[in-house]
Amino acid sequence: SQTIHQWPATLVQPVGSPLSLECTVEGTSNPNLYWYRQAAGRGLQLLFYSVGIGQISSEVPQNLSASRPQDRQFILSSKKLLLSDSGFYLCAWSPDLLSAKNIQYFGAGTRLSVL
Amino acid sequence: AQSVTQLDSHVSVSEGTPVLLRCNYSSSYSPSLFWYVQHPNKGLQLLLKYTSAATLVKGINGFEAEFKKSETSFHLTKPSAHMSDAAEYFCVVSDTGANNLFFGTGTRLTVIP
Repeated sequence: SQTIHQWPATLVQPVGSPLSLECTVEGTSNPNLYWYRQAAGRGLQLLFYSVGIGQISSEVPQNLSASRPQDRQFILSSKKLLLSDSGFYLCAWSPDLLSAKNIQYFGAGTRLSVL
Repeated sequence: AQSVTQLDSHVSVSEGTPVLLRCNYSSSYSPSLFWYVQHPNKGLQLLLKYTSAATLVKGINGFEAEFKKSETSFHLTKPSAHMSDAAEYFCVVSDTGANNLFFGTGTRLTVIP
């Protein structure tokens, strides 16, 4: 069966420090991968998605970047964190099947506090 | 373009009473619709999905939702609330076969003992 791992679960970082959040998927190949952010009191906002190694689509301009160095690995990064980067970050995957592309499965999330 | 409106940001019910979480959607094409649940500090879990089969969809934990095209609605219901149902619920729309999901802003369900 497929599983998705996301770490760390919580993170407290000072303003201006770098960020690296990692997400890996097991039990499937060539998944579509996604990074979402959930700010307090808001719904989910899609930040990035990837349909393959090295292929990243950015949905909103921001202080973050994403990379996909391996088929089942998706990394969210920042060179210098801002206070507004605080939030709950969720990684998700979906099968690369036309009939099931929009069924996404989520990781447990990372709560990031930038102080 | 797709969009989702969750009509209530917060719903409070007593344990054992029915739950109704309302969702209206807008989609240019035949939509796929989902409900996800998020317990505190947890990821999202898929409750149920509608993808152009039966309009009444049954999900996990006794939840179900009915797709009503004429009303562009996909309300989530449960006959009897349980304390463990307290969570945030998201209504989601997507074009079938597309990558992008569009999330509502969420409804926080409180269950009173």
